[in-house]
Amino acid sequence: KQEVTQIPAALSVPEGENLVLNCSFTDSAIYNLQWFRQDPGKGLTSLLLIQSSQREQTSGRLNASLDKSSGRSTLYIAASQPGDSATYLCAVCMNRDDKIIFGKGTRLHILP
Amino acid sequence: EAGVAQSPRYKIIEKRQSVAFWCNPISGHATLYWYQQILGQGPKLLIQFQNNGVVDDSQLPKDRFSAERLKGVDSTLKIQPAKLEDSAVYLCASSPLREVYEQYFGPGTRLTVT
Repeated sequence: KQEVTQIPAALSVPEGENLVLNCSFTDSAIYNLQWFRQDPGKGLTSLLLIQSSQREQTSGRLNASLDKSSGRSTLYIAASQPGDSATYLCAVCMNRDDKIIFGKGTRLHILP
Repeated sequence: EAGVAQSPRYKIIEKRQSVAFWCNPISGHATLYWYQQILGQGPKLLIQFQNNGVVDDSQLPKDRFSAERLKGVDSTLKIQPAKLEDSAVYLCASSPLREVYEQYFGPGTRLTVT
């Protein structure tokens, strides 16, 4: 059974710092991995999607990497801003058209 | 393109009452999902439809939850009767049938059962 773990559960960093969020999964035979952002009381916004054949994806200040063999992904946020404060969720999909299995998320707070 | 629409956005009911949520997926998306997200947890899949057929409902508490997707477009999720532990955000997502498979989420419905 696939399990997704995110560490740390919560993180506070001063504005301007670079930071890394971690995600690990137990079954490496994934189809893809997504990073989502969730603001309080809101739905999920997809940030980056990495196919199983890819090693990383970049969008603006965000970079997500995938190491299938070790069952790990990282989300790197450069030059953090207060607007980056949110919960970041990692999710894996085992097969095309299959459900997504989520981690519990990392609550990020950027200190002005 | 318009996003996934959900209503209502908020609902407060007493235990043992019934409630229904509505979802309108992105036009043309064949697959529709309902997730339950309890505070502090990641979303958990309740049911997955492909067109109007059920693909996975293994985690749907069928004694009290039901869902339908008539005509393969809109979907409703119903809880009857509600329990305190059903308090959560109910998220609807949809996805197209194409190679780069990505799910798009609606804003969710926050349910409070008192």
